Amino acid sequence: NAGVTQTPKFQVLKTGQSMTLQCAQDMNHNSMYWYRQDPGMGLRLIYYSASEGTTDKGEVPNGYNVSRLNKREFSLRLESAAPSQTSVYFCASSPRALTSYEQYFGPGTRLTVT
Amino acid sequence: AQRVTQPEKLLSVFKGAPVELKCNYSYSGSPELFWYVQYSRQRLQLLLRHISRESIKGFTADLNKGETSFHLKKPFAQEEDSAMYYCAIKRGYGGSQGNLIFGKGTKLSVKP
Repeated sequence: NAGVTQTPKFQVLKTGQSMTLQCAQDMNHNSMYWYRQDPGMGLRLIYYSASEGTTDKGEVPNGYNVSRLNKREFSLRLESAAPSQTSVYFCASSPRALTSYEQYFGPGTRLTVT
Repeated sequence: AQRVTQPEKLLSVFKGAPVELKCNYSYSGSPELFWYVQYSRQRLQLLLRHISRESIKGFTADLNKGETSFHLKKPFAQEEDSAMYYCAIKRGYGGSQGNLIFGKGTKLSVKP
């Protein structure tokens, strides 16, 4: 039982390049989330998916898109990377949206945009 | 708007000393509050939630509605407690009801 997995672990992009961060969970959770973690800013929600087939914006969605491919997978896409998107990205999942207090986190992806 | 404030970016204590990580919140309803912890090179994980009133790894946190606080306490700090601690509140209304709002975190350093 791997829990929440993320790929890649590290990535360096040039400004304007695009990439997709992958996330998968094997806990049969309904809800999934993408956060970014920046020094002094804590964790900020980018997008979330309350259930398969739905996605919604979080606190800082600009510059990102998401896809809930199926119940297991939730990807985050940067269409045109900017230095301001340099951050550590965490994916999380929880059994149901309204009981989202128990969120299970992935190991994170450290992204640098030059 | 719902908000969580952790006033200390860094808290440094000696092993065996008491530790208190502060968390204040703003919410007019009945809040649900949590503490998450991230040890070095490990994933962020739930430490405790106020509703269960439990003690995990010697840590406790009491919800004080009068002071709108949910401070995390431990009477005798250990070196292995060194980590990043995040206070979080469950969003009680609005389009993203049920989601968590995290504070900016406090880095706890326990010195030998």
